[in-house]
Amino acid sequence: DAKTTQPTSMDCAEGRAANLPCNHSTISGNEYVYWYRQIHSQGPQYIIHGLKNNETNEMASLIITEDRKSSTLILPHATLRDTAVYYCIVSYSGGGADGLTFGKGTHLIIQP
Amino acid sequence: DAGVTQSPTHLIKTRGQQVTLRCSPKSGHDTVSWYQQALGQGPQFIFQYYEEEERQRGNFPDRFSGHQFPNYSSELNVNALLLGDSALYLCASSLVGRFGGPYNEQFFGPGTRLTVL
Repeated sequence: DAKTTQPTSMDCAEGRAANLPCNHSTISGNEYVYWYRQIHSQGPQYIIHGLKNNETNEMASLIITEDRKSSTLILPHATLRDTAVYYCIVSYSGGGADGLTFGKGTHLIIQP
Repeated sequence: DAGVTQSPTHLIKTRGQQVTLRCSPKSGHDTVSWYQQALGQGPQFIFQYYEEEERQRGNFPDRFSGHQFPNYSSELNVNALLLGDSALYLCASSLVGRFGGPYNEQFFGPGTRLTVL
């Protein structure tokens, strides 16, 4: 699986959009980008995944650059409950059929 | 739907002992994966079970073993415990089927906190 690079921590004001970047310059053509988050003392929670096109669901939007070497997770209206560690993961089939390779993630702190 | 459940919640063992952790997958899921999460680190993949067989394994010694039952529930066994085995152990379930695929996310349980003294 390709390696990912994320900032260690980020702050965002409540109600504003939180934009979390991820670099994955060694991603291969058949690898997907997945985002999970882990709220303190809980198991990780799936957020979204994508291959080439931008994706949106009820939780977030995922923007993948045209060369697929980086992506951004967007939480459109961050709340205090969005404070968590966010993990960007690249995997061919990490949706369910493969073990996920977690890095250290980005600790996102939503400020009131 | 109860989601993924794990037992026990917390466990304290001493070095050299053996431990068994249990996981019940989300209803309808057929695949169980286990992860170890040390303090301040991201989860590390241990192994994955499908159809009662180990399908994939991470970089963990064979002191770590597992089992999946016909009802898809799973156990993680760790023998000869070391201090470094102290961690949060997470179970994740997914619906994969025989050929896998990228479309079905993994659902994680709350974990079992293991402390080795």
